[in-house]
Amino acid sequence: NAGVMQNPRHLVRRRGQEARLRCSPMKGHSHVYWYRQLPEEGLKFMVYLQKENIIDESGMPKERFSAEFPKEGPSILRIQQVVRGDSAAYFCASSASGGRTREAFFGQGTRLTVV
Amino acid sequence: AQTVTQSQPEMSVQEAETVTLSCTYDTSENNYYLFWYKQPPSRQMILVIRQEAYKQQNATENRFSVNFQKAAKSFSLKISDSQLGDTAMYFCAFTTDKLIFGTGTRLQVFP
Repeated sequence: NAGVMQNPRHLVRRRGQEARLRCSPMKGHSHVYWYRQLPEEGLKFMVYLQKENIIDESGMPKERFSAEFPKEGPSILRIQQVVRGDSAAYFCASSASGGRTREAFFGQGTRLTVV
Repeated sequence: AQTVTQSQPEMSVQEAETVTLSCTYDTSENNYYLFWYKQPPSRQMILVIRQEAYKQQNATENRFSVNFQKAAKSFSLKISDSQLGDTAMYFCAFTTDKLIFGTGTRLQVFP
């Protein structure tokens, strides 16, 4: 049973380009969470999705960032017109149930570098 | 607001000794879960231990145990018989509808 798969592991983008980060949850998991980790900091919640629905996007920047979790396929975190400040590690986690989840399983993260 | 505070940015311990990492949190919820995650240099987030807030008994997992004080909103992690492989960042987290993380404690275990 594969764990949470994120790709790519490393992504380099020039300022102004778009970044697409993918997350395939564990088999049987329908809840996905995205977190951002800046260097030497903790993980900051961005968005919580269930299949085809955004449940909580209170941590998402108002502009340039979007997320989706379609009925088929991985969850996508999309960053348009990237800036240097978007450089960070982005983690995805999945769980079998939402709400007061007992445990979320994390992927290995995507390190985004904006040059 | 729901927050998690880890007041120790860095800790160090000698191999085979015991170390305690502190964590406090703030929530108005009564039903939630608490976690400690370990992040080694590989950046993988690894669940170390989990505590359910409605359980009074402190959770233990081999060399890892917690001291959960619900009234004080405190959730410390004790690592016994520290090993070199325990060197990592440790994050305290709790969840109501989503995981909220503290800023982490960098633990260095030296020989």
